[in-house]
Amino acid sequence: QLQLQESGPRLVKPSETLSLTCTVSGASLTGNTDYWAWIRQPPAKGLEWIGSIYFSGTTYYNPSLKTRVSMSIDTSKKQFSLNLSSVTASDTAVYFCVRWLWGRFHFDYWGQGSLVTVSS
Amino acid sequence: SYVLTQPPSLSVAPGQTATITCGGHNIGYKSVHWYQQKAAQAPVLVIFYDTDRPSGIPDRFSGSNSGNTATLTVSRVEAGDEADYFCQVWDTTSAQVVFGGGTKLTVL
Repeated sequence: QLQLQESGPRLVKPSETLSLTCTVSGASLTGNTDYWAWIRQPPAKGLEWIGSIYFSGTTYYNPSLKTRVSMSIDTSKKQFSLNLSSVTASDTAVYFCVRWLWGRFHFDYWGQGSLVTVSS
Repeated sequence: SYVLTQPPSLSVAPGQTATITCGGHNIGYKSVHWYQQKAAQAPVLVIFYDTDRPSGIPDRFSGSNSGNTATLTVSRVEAGDEADYFCQVWDTTSAQVVFGGGTKLTVL
């Protein structure tokens, strides 16, 4: 059974970089149709897609976040990561790592989510 | 960019049918996916490709998509169906994933 687990600092200062890592178990990261994604949800708000990465390094980013987002992947460690720079309080959210199926375009496996708070 | 519009809330009595809409320009030409999110939990996929159910999702959940509106229908609503529901598409024009704002389903 595929499982995803987010890890990283829960508190980040304004203007600094938010960094999260997702560790995948139960599957490799090199499936033909498997992209690996980050989605966030501010408190009491809806879902926002941040971006998706393929094992080759190909990425798709949300245009509204593109200038601040960077994603990477390490297939040997079965991990993928998110960096979000110059954070403000509006970046406070639960961050989910998720599997995204290319060609089908839906998200089928989700991590439990990690609340990251931006505050001094 | 592409916009998906959902009603913020819907209240239904147990045993009745809940119909949750997701509006978007010519959404009928896109594949729509639906997620259920219960309090303090990660979302769960309940419908993909407009009408398909993942294994383990009850057949009380069904979907349709035509014109400018996609619909998630929950038949014979139960207390355990109380949750937020989100629709989602892939917009090929802008190459981005788009979510609707979510609908909070309350079971009376």
